[in-house]
Amino acid sequence: DAGVIQSPRHEVTEMGQEVTLRCKPISGHNSLFWYRQTMMRGLELLIYFNNNVPIDDSGMPEDRFSAKMPNASFSTLKIQPSEPRDSAVYFCASSTRTGGNEKLFFGSGTQLSVL
Amino acid sequence: GDSVTQMEGPVTLSEEAFLTINCTYTATGYPSLFWYVQYPGEGLQLLLKATKADDKGSNKGFEATYRKETTSFHLEKGSVQVSDSAVYFCARSQAGTALIFGKGTTLSVSS
Repeated sequence: DAGVIQSPRHEVTEMGQEVTLRCKPISGHNSLFWYRQTMMRGLELLIYFNNNVPIDDSGMPEDRFSAKMPNASFSTLKIQPSEPRDSAVYFCASSTRTGGNEKLFFGSGTQLSVL
Repeated sequence: GDSVTQMEGPVTLSEEAFLTINCTYTATGYPSLFWYVQYPGEGLQLLLKATKADDKGSNKGFEATYRKETTSFHLEKGSVQVSDSAVYFCARSQAGTALIFGKGTTLSVSS
């Protein structure tokens, strides 16, 4: 298995532009998570899906952020409009189920820089 | 609210030194506890876990014991190597919720 695949690996954009981050989870995994990593706040959960349904989006910073999971093999995280404070590494992870004891498999992340 | 607190880094050690990275948690009920490791330029990967009190997780020479009485899950290794240089994250989970991570502790090991 190729693991969790994220694209792009790096994204540099200007303030105000729309940014779309993509994630392909491991085949057969039922849960998908989006995390954001910054020096100041560490690793923060933004949103997670179970069987393609958003379960908890309380970590989404504001309305500029949105996430979708149209099918079991694809998810997007969109920022519109982007701001410099959104600069961070965004990780996608997947697991077999949300049961509390599951192992998360992380992608390599997308390094986002908003100028 | 429920959280995970790790000792602040960076932790700088010489090769073969003893490592301890402290982690404490707050949670209602009895969470599962994890240590994840992040090597440069990569995503996190599971290092070890423990699912109930007094369990000891171990992997690659690393160990951590689930201590309910002190709400702790400290990571230890008897002799670190340069290749152990990475960021280490303590995390907790509980049924029906996603993992909550600490802020991470950077370990740098020199030869």
